[in-house]
Amino acid sequence: KNQVEQSPQSLIILEGKNCTLQCNYTVSPFSNLRWYKQDTGRGPVSLTIMTFSENTKSNGRYTATLDADTKQSSLHITASQLSDSASYICVVSARGGYNKLIFGAGTRLAVHP
Amino acid sequence: EAGVVQSPRYKIIEKKQPVAFWCNPISGHNTLYWYLQNLGQGPELLIRYENEEAVDDSQLPKDRFSAERLKGVDSTLKIQPAELGDSAVYLCASSPTGQATPPGELFFGEGSRLTVL
Repeated sequence: KNQVEQSPQSLIILEGKNCTLQCNYTVSPFSNLRWYKQDTGRGPVSLTIMTFSENTKSNGRYTATLDADTKQSSLHITASQLSDSASYICVVSARGGYNKLIFGAGTRLAVHP
Repeated sequence: EAGVVQSPRYKIIEKKQPVAFWCNPISGHNTLYWYLQNLGQGPELLIRYENEEAVDDSQLPKDRFSAERLKGVDSTLKIQPAELGDSAVYLCASSPTGQATPPGELFFGEGSRLTVL
């Protein structure tokens, strides 16, 4: 069964600190992996998209990594800011047909001053 | 350029009443999705359109939910009658095409939050 598991479920860090969010998936055949940021009461916004051949992709202070062999991805946030407080959702696309998307439940991050 | 527009943002109704949500995708985007998102969960696909054709509606509870995308642009999602368990956020997303490069980038609207009393 195609699944996406994220950890931790929630996380609290102090402003300025770094953190890493994890995503494990069992989706096959794999097409690509995306990380979305969802602010409270808003729709998800794309941070990165990575295909099979990409190991790392950065978007400002956000850096995503992908290990297609172990089917793991991480999202690293550097020098966190209060505005980073949000849910971060990992989404994996299965190849074939219409690129079915499998969503994780998300990690809820709270950045405190 | 405007993003995906949804309305209403909030809706409170009593159970057994009907409700409808509207979505205007980004201009030129052929693929349109409706997702349901419960609190603390990731979005779950209800239906996916390629132009005006519903290509994946396997998760749409067809006894009470219906959707349409006339002319392959705007879309409406209807629930009739609504039940308590339908309380959730209904997200609309659009994509340039199902298999484009970058592969099917999704752009989400702000969502419509439904509360059924």
